[in-house]
Amino acid sequence: EAGVVQSPRYKIIEKKQPVAFWCNPISGHNTLYWYLQNLGQGPELLIRYENEEAVDDSQLPKDRFSAERLKGVDSTLKIQPAELGDSAVYLCASSLETNYEQYFGPGTRLTVT
Amino acid sequence: DAKTTQPNSMESNEEEPVHLPCNHSTISGTDYIHWYRQLPSQGPEYVIHGLTSNVNNRMASLAIAEDRKSSTLILHRATLRDAAVYYCILSSSGVGSNYKLTFGKGTLLTVNP
Repeated sequence: EAGVVQSPRYKIIEKKQPVAFWCNPISGHNTLYWYLQNLGQGPELLIRYENEEAVDDSQLPKDRFSAERLKGVDSTLKIQPAELGDSAVYLCASSLETNYEQYFGPGTRLTVT
Repeated sequence: DAKTTQPNSMESNEEEPVHLPCNHSTISGTDYIHWYRQLPSQGPEYVIHGLTSNVNNRMASLAIAEDRKSSTLILHRATLRDAAVYYCILSSSGVGSNYKLTFGKGTLLTVNP
């Protein structure tokens, strides 16, 4: 069974540029999560989807971050414009339902210069 | 959210058992105890979870104190592939909860050959 797929794996951009990350969850998983992980820290939840609905986006900086999960499958996370402090690993995870174990992708390492 | 306390780092030798402690003195009756681990350059991976009783699976065992204020993840025979950051996390399953996983810094486990 394929795991959670994320692309790109690495991205280097200049500050003020836009960037987008893509996630394909495990087939059949209704719940999708985006996390941010800074160096030396644990992942922090940005947004959680149940099917197409964003049910918890309280930690998403909405002035520059946006996310969508069209058709309740793939999801994209966008930053516009990127700032130096956005350099981090962006992780996508999925689970069968909200209270089930989460499966994480390998993450996208973003470097903003 | 109830918090957990873990040692920053631990060392073990290959093929020896490892006991990773976690304190969660403010745990509530509906909080589940989850353990995830993160290998270098990978996303976190589910290890085990429990509520009140001890749990065993193919990866590890979870021993939960009778008062539930602490728990221990047991790796029965450590291998070099077990070297990772181990996260102990509480999530609420009560009515109105959002099952959110809040990661701390975890315990960095080093396995010596």
